[in-house]
Amino acid sequence: NAGVTQTPKFQVLKTGQSMTLQCAQDMNHEYMSWYRQDPGMGLRLIHYSVGAGITDQGEVPNGYNVSRSTTEDFPLRLLSAAPSQTSVYFCASSSSGESYEQYFGPGTRLTVT
Amino acid sequence: GQSLEQPSEVTAVEGAIVQINCTYQTSGFYGLSWYQQHDGGAPTFLSYNALDGLEETGRFSSFLSRSDSYGYLLLQELQMKDSASYFCAVRDTGGFKTIFGAGTRLFVKA
Repeated sequence: NAGVTQTPKFQVLKTGQSMTLQCAQDMNHEYMSWYRQDPGMGLRLIHYSVGAGITDQGEVPNGYNVSRSTTEDFPLRLLSAAPSQTSVYFCASSSSGESYEQYFGPGTRLTVT
Repeated sequence: GQSLEQPSEVTAVEGAIVQINCTYQTSGFYGLSWYQQHDGGAPTFLSYNALDGLEETGRFSSFLSRSDSYGYLLLQELQMKDSASYFCAVRDTGGFKTIFGAGTRLFVKA
């Protein structure tokens, strides 16, 4: 199993550009989440999904859209990039098991100039 | 709303024991998790407490007191490779969202 994969690993955008961060998992997990990590602020939840066709907002959803058309994929779209969105983005998935252990992808380092 | 508090930094000596505390305030609570993250890497799951008490996994143990809204991660026989950031995280009432603390940076010295 590849686990959770994310592409790209690095990305530089200009202010106002849009892009999609890809996330896929091959563990048949129901739950998937997107986090951003900024220095000294830990991981902040952007959006999450409890299954195909079901998404909801997390702590910091503004400026981001998600959709979940399949169990495997959970892309994150930046609608109009801003310098404040410079961050490391992690995708995670988990099953409905007791511990809800989350498996994280390797991350995407995004810089918006 | 939800908030978690943990110390920003902890320093300990190789071979020693260190405890990283976490206090939380949530509108609902399902369980407390701990994750480890090395510089440049992704977070990895360490432990989960749904009920009060101690959970032990090798050199790592995690404790939860629901009445005190408090938990801790205990690392024994510290090794240099344990130098990393450690995050506590809570699952909300619905059980679907996980909210993370800001993290504790552990420095292990020789």
